[in-house]
Amino acid sequence: GDSVTQMEGPVTLSEEAFLTINCTYTATGYPSLFWYVQYPGEGLQLLLKATKADDKGSNKGFEATYRKETTSFHLEKGSVQVSDSAVYFCALQTSGGYNKLIFGAGTRLAVHP
Amino acid sequence: EAQVTQNPRYLITVTGKKLTVTCSQNMNHEYMSWYRQDPGLGLRQIYYSMNVEVTDKGDVPEGYKVSRKEKRNFPLILESPSPNQTSLYFCASSLSPLRTLGRDEQYFGPGTRLTVT
Repeated sequence: GDSVTQMEGPVTLSEEAFLTINCTYTATGYPSLFWYVQYPGEGLQLLLKATKADDKGSNKGFEATYRKETTSFHLEKGSVQVSDSAVYFCALQTSGGYNKLIFGAGTRLAVHP
Repeated sequence: EAQVTQNPRYLITVTGKKLTVTCSQNMNHEYMSWYRQDPGLGLRQIYYSMNVEVTDKGDVPEGYKVSRKEKRNFPLILESPSPNQTSLYFCASSLSPLRTLGRDEQYFGPGTRLTVT
């Protein structure tokens, strides 16, 4: 079945460092891909998305490109801030017709001053 | 303000004592869903609803019930909670139940942390 694999955390970085969180997926058809962010004590918020191959999603300095050839959707940010500390979830929306999300395990990011 | 609300936010209960977690959205969304979040497993779908009176099982429905009598509400019911249902629960909603571009973004509630002893 469809699945999402994320790199294990926690990821610990200094402020202004470059961030990459790896995400790969297994899916039939043409899924849409998402990154959600969960700040401490809060629900999930959509960070960015891409709906077809080679699309690049971007928001708040974060970027991810839908790579069908490598079945990947890696999240990147050029310069992280302390306020980016959160748990990041990669997810796919199945191509079976209805609106179902399949999530990866999540990656905790801690950014230190 | 457009939002998904859940109550209670925190709940500690004992094995076998029936409980209900409420979920309400004010965006006139057709689709609603419940997920549980467990360490190392991400979020897994429990139940979903395409519209009023239309519900179906997700990936981990055992031990849970839901109902959708009104469009805005989608309560999660644990008839006889057990310790393995200790988890963080999220309700989500979207305008469309289908993968319709621009109408299918899911909005999440703040979560309910449930502990069953």
